[in-house]
Amino acid sequence: SQKIEQNSEALNIQEGKTATLTCNYTNYSPAYLQWYRQDPGRGPVFLLLIRENEKEKRKERLKVTFDTTLKQSLFHITASQPADSATYLCADGVYNKLIFGAGTRLAVHP
Amino acid sequence: DVKVTQSSRYLVKRTGEKVFLECVQDMDHENMFWYRQDPGLGLRLIYFSYDVKMKEKGDIPEGYSVSREKKERFSLILESASTNQTSMYLCASSSKSNEQFFGPGTRLTVL
Repeated sequence: SQKIEQNSEALNIQEGKTATLTCNYTNYSPAYLQWYRQDPGRGPVFLLLIRENEKEKRKERLKVTFDTTLKQSLFHITASQPADSATYLCADGVYNKLIFGAGTRLAVHP
Repeated sequence: DVKVTQSSRYLVKRTGEKVFLECVQDMDHENMFWYRQDPGLGLRLIYFSYDVKMKEKGDIPEGYSVSREKKERFSLILESASTNQTSMYLCASSSKSNEQFFGPGTRLTVL
């Protein structure tokens, strides 16, 4: 069955550095991947969508890549700020349904 | 400002009670979803609906039912609440663009 995996360990980085989060998928080829941000006690908020025929997508300080050979998506936040601290969820799409990874918690320290 | 609202932020119920969780969206979206989120398990899909009166089972439908009588409203029903249904419940909606808009969540505790 299809599976989507994110690094369950928290990522701690220093303010100003680039944060890189990983999302791996197995047993299938998703048509697109989405990234969401979730703050404690709140619902996820959509950030970016990247399709299988797109290698890279950017939005302000965010960049997402999609490597179908490695079956992996990388999510980068450049010039990270303490306000970027949150849990980031990767999700793959099959028609209108999404399957979410468990999320990676990012902590950006001043 | 687009919005998905859920009827309660916090809810405490007793084992065996019937529980209704309501979700309303104002974006005229065709698709609506109910998830539960538990530590370490991530978001798991309970049920979804792609049209009025239509519903599809997600990955963990047991113990739940849903109702969608109007396009903007999607209800999750726990027929007889059990302690293992203590969780954060999240509603979402989407259109053809596939990005999902989530509500604030309902933290349900079943005693």
